[in-house]
Amino acid sequence: RKEVEQDPGPFNVPEGATVAFNCTYSNSASQSFFWYRQDCRKEPKLLMSVYSSGNEDGRFTAQLNRASQYISLLIRDSKLSDSATYLCAVNPNNAGNMLTFGGGTRLMVKP
Amino acid sequence: EADIYQTPRYLVIGTGKKITLECSQTMGHDKMYWYQQDPGMELHLIHYSYGVNSTEKGDLSSESTVSRIRTEHFPLTLESARPSHTSQYLCASREGGNEKLFFGSGTQLSVL
Repeated sequence: RKEVEQDPGPFNVPEGATVAFNCTYSNSASQSFFWYRQDCRKEPKLLMSVYSSGNEDGRFTAQLNRASQYISLLIRDSKLSDSATYLCAVNPNNAGNMLTFGGGTRLMVKP
Repeated sequence: EADIYQTPRYLVIGTGKKITLECSQTMGHDKMYWYQQDPGMELHLIHYSYGVNSTEKGDLSSESTVSRIRTEHFPLTLESARPSHTSQYLCASREGGNEKLFFGSGTQLSVL
């Protein structure tokens, strides 16, 4: 089983839709969680951190469920410009505090 | 915007050539990383460094080598490029106590 798993998608949604992705992690001792956005053939860019209490940034909401070991990303009122791959990243509490990335979920927002 | 730079952005080269991918950051970050990513696939850590003169191999076996002589510079070298090395190479850095990772724009390597 991979340490961090995501549904690769693609998720095809119309503009204005609400879409949610989950990301599961295997190490219950994992400490920190992040969502990154990656456009085609570009570098990943940090979208938001995921806190225990959840956090919201505009149309984006991230949640952490420690009991079930997953994090989620909710995008409301999706825009064409939201089309990208969304990577979750987890710090599995290893010695180097290195992030482990999921394979990404591809989102395509259609007009 | 993160101040981390990679050159070249694209490189097409013949089999057997020696190549060096450059990565520099001006943020004074101690920790630097090299990831390899094939199209539509996940990121794989191939090298990392905790500071000057510190280098370690990552999770994914790689025939490349790295050096860290200066804090801001973390070049990756392939002594003899092969078609199997064709991939995107992403450099990243972060501050010591901060887990947020900043990526360079990547080098897309094609070995013919």
